Amino acid sequence: SYELTQPPSVSVSPGQTASIPCSGDKLGDKYASWYQQKPGQSPVLVIYQDNKRPSGIPERFSGSNSGNTATLTISGTQAMDEADYYCQAWDSSTVVFGGGTKLTVL
Amino acid sequence: QVTLRESGPALVKPTQTLTLTCTFSGFSLTTREMCVSWIRQPPGKALEWLALIDWDDDKYYSTSLKTRLTISKDTSKNQVVLTVTNVDPVDTATYYCARIIGGSSGWPDYWGQGTLVTVSS
Repeated sequence: SYELTQPPSVSVSPGQTASIPCSGDKLGDKYASWYQQKPGQSPVLVIYQDNKRPSGIPERFSGSNSGNTATLTISGTQAMDEADYYCQAWDSSTVVFGGGTKLTVL
Repeated sequence: QVTLRESGPALVKPTQTLTLTCTFSGFSLTTREMCVSWIRQPPGKALEWLALIDWDDDKYYSTSLKTRLTISKDTSKNQVVLTVTNVDPVDTATYYCARIIGGSSGWPDYWGQGTLVTVSS
């Protein structure tokens, strides 16, 4: 079955840029989406179709997808961005989530 | 305004069948490329996709769980139901329903608040 791999954790200083990778076989041939989940809350869509932001998501969130890796980038990271982040794609008519990355803003 | 709300038992015994209902508003599951999906999250663990039903009544299931899952919809009630048979303590999780827009290559854009289900004797 298809797998999406994310690092368990990423740390960033406030105001710096955080990059969270998500890797999968030929992931660049598929659309990737990203979700932010804070403790005790439901996931929130932050990026869809590789690089589109839903209404209400700050411009500091951006995405890219090429080759085997999709990347979520948060520019000017703020303390409020500390959360778990999950990537998601489709493969063979099934939805696949990555294992999640805990972003710590130090 | 799109909303989804999950409902079902908080506690289920091993080997029983779990039935969860997603009641939604703000969209119609008869609209082309609209879907509703079930996703779960064991305590402290990652999201796991379970099943999806689309506007055309096509159904898609997790490969690893498909023998135990059944998804159905009642468009007149704006509800989607998921049944999980022969539950085990490893099925303990928060179960979410989510709207997926874009058909069978789309993305969950609205999520319910989730319902915690514990499997224990």
